[in-house]
Amino acid sequence: DIVMTQSPLSLPVSPGEPASISCRSSQSLLHSNGYNCLDWYLQKPGQSPQLLIYLGSTRASGVPDRFSGSGSGTDFTLKISRMEAEDVGVYYCVQTLQTPFTFGPGTKVDIK
Amino acid sequence: QVQLVQSGAEMKKPGASVKVSCKASGFTFTDYFIHWLRQAPGQSLEWMGWITTANGDTTYSQKFQGRVAITRDPSASTAFMELSSLTSEDTAIYYCARDSYSIGSYFDYWGQGTLVTVSS
Repeated sequence: DIVMTQSPLSLPVSPGEPASISCRSSQSLLHSNGYNCLDWYLQKPGQSPQLLIYLGSTRASGVPDRFSGSGSGTDFTLKISRMEAEDVGVYYCVQTLQTPFTFGPGTKVDIK
Repeated sequence: QVQLVQSGAEMKKPGASVKVSCKASGFTFTDYFIHWLRQAPGQSLEWMGWITTANGDTTYSQKFQGRVAITRDPSASTAFMELSSLTSEDTAIYYCARDSYSIGSYFDYWGQGTLVTVSS
């Protein structure tokens, strides 16, 4: 199985400040079609996860443009350009290159 | 609007089985895959398997092979996940999620989750 790691596991961020989360995979997530099979989700407290970024860097419908995803192969980054109170929660990366799809441990982001 | 509405919380004894439903609305059910995932208390998410709603084909995580069955009823726009031989380790919130599988898999809509508690 592909192992996903994230860092940091906890990230306090001041409102208006940027934030960055790293996600690494034990194997390249680059598909033969040229896309990276890496998605990002945010799980707000008490809610189901919600899709933020798919295929490494494509923002999902309705996701604010302060969220961006980058990276390729085994190293990926999710960035929040300006932290807002509604961005609090646990962020997960997941690989969908091969089954079983596997998630990272999550990064808990809260307001400093 | 797109919705996935799951059945209610379940309390089961060890060794029993549980069947969770996921009713879809607001889109053509057979145009999408449905995945099942779970989240144990305080833990990350775990993918269990998916079903091709158009023809019923399934793919399961090896971890659950032989113990999980994902089915669907297209006439009711509903998917089901049945997990057998339950142990306390299966206590978790179980989610269904929609996947359009265009270029790659991603879960754009999720159910509200179903808490399954396994306890003697």
